[in-house]
Amino acid sequence: EVQMLESGGGLVKPGGSLRLSCAASGFPFTNYNMNWVRQAPGKGLEWVSCISRSSDFIYYADSVKGRFTISRDNARNLLYLQMNSLRADDMAVYYCAREVQPNHLDYWGQGTLLTVSS
Amino acid sequence: SYVLTQPPSVSVAPGQTATITCGDNNIGSKSVHWYQQKPGQAPVLVVYDDTDRPSGIPERFSGSNSGNTATLTISRVEAGDEADYYCLVWDTTIDHYVFGTGTKVTVL
Repeated sequence: EVQMLESGGGLVKPGGSLRLSCAASGFPFTNYNMNWVRQAPGKGLEWVSCISRSSDFIYYADSVKGRFTISRDNARNLLYLQMNSLRADDMAVYYCAREVQPNHLDYWGQGTLLTVSS
Repeated sequence: SYVLTQPPSVSVAPGQTATITCGDNNIGSKSVHWYQQKPGQAPVLVVYDDTDRPSGIPERFSGSNSGNTATLTISRVEAGDEADYYCLVWDTTIDHYVFGTGTKVTVL
């Protein structure tokens, strides 16, 4: 069974940093591009970032470029999102999602909540 | 960044048909995918590549895409279909995913 479990969310002050993790299981992790998507409270879905299978292609939404860094550890089936210079508008549930062709996200984790507040 | 335009809400009686649109210039040239999200849950893929259904998704869910509008149609609507629905495309010109604004489907 395909499963993804996010962790690392919590309360951070504006300007702070946090790293999210996503543990994948039930599929060959190294064969898939992976993504982060977020959803602010009461708002819609917003794509955040994508990383290719071997980390040679990485893309970011304009809203996080320069502040967030996506990475992966294929040996441990882990996806990461390092978030720096956090702002109030970064507050959201963050989902990791597996990418398949033609470019879409077929399986999602249950999400982890980031709260940014002083 | 931009978003795809969806109606904020659609109301439908049980047994009737719900139609949700997703608009963008020449969206018919892109592959469109649709997600259902119930409160407190992660999104679930219901239609991919304009018209295909993942295994386990009822045939009542169907999609189409042409010109400037993609459409998700839910036939014979049931109470359990009440949820938010989002469209998604991959924009090759900017190498970004773009979501629709979301549509709340209410079953009367």
